[in-house]
Amino acid sequence: GQQVMQIPQYQHVQEGEDFTTYCNSSTTLSNIQWYKQRPGGHPVFLIQLVKSGEVKKQKRLTFQFGEAKKNSSLHITATQTTDVGTYFCAGYENYGGSQGNLIFGKGTKLSVKP
Amino acid sequence: GAGVSQSPSNKVTEKGKDVELRCDPISGHTALYWYRQSLGQGLEFLIYFQGNSAPDKSGLPSDRFSAERTGGSVSTLTIQRTQQEDSAVYLCASSLRGAGGGFQETQYFGPGTRLLVL
Repeated sequence: GQQVMQIPQYQHVQEGEDFTTYCNSSTTLSNIQWYKQRPGGHPVFLIQLVKSGEVKKQKRLTFQFGEAKKNSSLHITATQTTDVGTYFCAGYENYGGSQGNLIFGKGTKLSVKP
Repeated sequence: GAGVSQSPSNKVTEKGKDVELRCDPISGHTALYWYRQSLGQGLEFLIYFQGNSAPDKSGLPSDRFSAERTGGSVSTLTIQRTQQEDSAVYLCASSLRGAGGGFQETQYFGPGTRLLVL
């Protein structure tokens, strides 16, 4: 079955440093979504990428979808303490029109030292 | 409008007892999902309801787990004869139309129910 893997599992950075998490799928994805879960909270949708090679930005966050639609990355520039949390990627496998369920990666837990 | 709500927020039970977890999706959302998140782990898909279609139960870990969705709205996840490994946060999410027809939608998550089986 489809697997979605995320690395690293944990990342500790000093405030102001950049941060990147990577998401890789064993199969082609029809789209990919990113979620953020604050400590003690529930996942909150950040963004969805659909097109091959797509790049989207949200302030200090940059999201990329690979050309082969099998990988994605989230990059945060100049991290702040408010960025703390676990970042999950999630993707639907591309079944050429019909799709399975949204499969989540295990997440990257980001801690930011002030 | 109101988001996805879940109840109870916390549940402590003894091994072997049955528990019911409730989810109220966003009004008008036809798709409803249940996930389980164990401590420090990612989200594990359990079950998916889409409109009046038969639910996709492919993620349920055992026959002790079942779920219903009444009237296309509220859903109840039932765990029978709970085991300690069932301890986790159970998250419910809803989306407007769900997966299908080549279009996938954003899922809106509830706050979750933290289940602890002693």
